Amino acid sequence: NAGVTQTPKFQVLKTGQSMTLQCAQDMNHNSMYWYRQDPGMGLRLIYYSASEGTTDKGEVPNGYNVSRLNKREFSLRLESAAPSQTSVYFCASKGFPDIQYFGAGTRLSVL
Amino acid sequence: DQQVKQNSPSLSVQEGRISILNCDYTNSMFDYFLWYKKYPAEGPTFLISISSIKDKNEDGRFTVFLNKSAKHLSLHIVPSQPGDSAVYFCAASVSSGTYKYIFGTGTRLKVLA
Repeated sequence: NAGVTQTPKFQVLKTGQSMTLQCAQDMNHNSMYWYRQDPGMGLRLIYYSASEGTTDKGEVPNGYNVSRLNKREFSLRLESAAPSQTSVYFCASKGFPDIQYFGAGTRLSVL
Repeated sequence: DQQVKQNSPSLSVQEGRISILNCDYTNSMFDYFLWYKKYPAEGPTFLISISSIKDKNEDGRFTVFLNKSAKHLSLHIVPSQPGDSAVYFCAASVSSGTYKYIFGTGTRLKVLA
């Protein structure tokens, strides 16, 4: 049982490049989330999807877009990466009773 | 404006003693609280939760206490073990409808053998 799978685990980008972070869950959860973790800042919500077909902004959505491709998959896209987007990105899905399950994270560096 | 605060960035405790991690919140609408544990290079994992209708919840060595009037919750680990060394995040949500969780900045616990 894989749970929440994120790819890639590591990525280095140059400023202005684009990339998509992939996330898939096999727990049949309706809700999925993207967070970023920065030193001293905790986990901050970027976007979330309460159910298939819906997405909403979180605390720090600027510079990101998301796609809820189907119930299993929720991707995060950086259209034009900036050094301020250097971070560790976590995807999560929410099951009953309101517990979030996290992937192992993607460590992104933007030079 | 940080709605969930963990004011102690780090804590060191001797093995076998009690670890107490604290969390304060400002939004009185929060009614569901969770603690997560995170090891390096891994995602956070759920530890324990509490609803605002309770003031205490226990699971083995872990107990969470909620003081709604003070807008404060704490996680007690008794006895502490070296494997408990990790970063602990508290999180809060409004259970009806928003689906959003607000996380604190985390407390790094080190249990000394």
